[in-house]
Amino acid sequence: EDQVTQSPEALRLQEGESSSLNCSYTVSGLRGLFWYRQDPGKGPEFLFTLYSAGEEKEKERLKATLTKKESFLHITAPKPEDSATYLCAALNRDDKIIFGKGTRLHILP
Amino acid sequence: DAGVIQSPRHEVTEMGQEVTLRCKPISGHNSLFWYRQTMMRGLELLIYFNNNVPIDDSGMPEDRFSAKMPNASFSTLKIQPSEPRDSAVYFCASSFRTTSNQPQHFGDGTRLSIL
Repeated sequence: EDQVTQSPEALRLQEGESSSLNCSYTVSGLRGLFWYRQDPGKGPEFLFTLYSAGEEKEKERLKATLTKKESFLHITAPKPEDSATYLCAALNRDDKIIFGKGTRLHILP
Repeated sequence: DAGVIQSPRHEVTEMGQEVTLRCKPISGHNSLFWYRQTMMRGLELLIYFNNNVPIDDSGMPEDRFSAKMPNASFSTLKIQPSEPRDSAVYFCASSFRTTSNQPQHFGDGTRLSIL
């Protein structure tokens, strides 16, 4: 069965303290790996799509990377406004999208 | 640009009542998705439509759930009869589906509480 597992479940960082969020996937025929940001009371907001191992994408303080088994979301020098839940999702060969349960990130000022 | 619009934002009703959730996708998008989010199970895909046609409803929990898309600008998710275990946040998302790996754009959800 296809699965997406995110770790850690929750992460507290000091402002400026860089870290990485992990997304491990077991998916038949990966067709895309997505990262979303979700703020409380809001729907997920699209960040990145990665298509193949070795690919990297950046946006401001965020960089997403992809290997054949996992993806990382690196956060460099985070600010309090980066606090949110980050969701990872994988699209398999049957066009099914599977979401992880997310990592709740809290950046302390 | 208007994003995906969902209504109502909150719904509280008693067990056994019919519940109808509504969604207006982004204009020009031809794929629409319904999700359910709970703490226990995370975000689960219930059903999706391409060009108003249901493609995969394997995530619909049971026959009490039904979804329709009568035109390109409107969809409903109906629960009849509702049960307390249906309490969750329901999201609608849309995408422009030239290929299946296009990103989805989500509404802000309907928080449903069944008493």
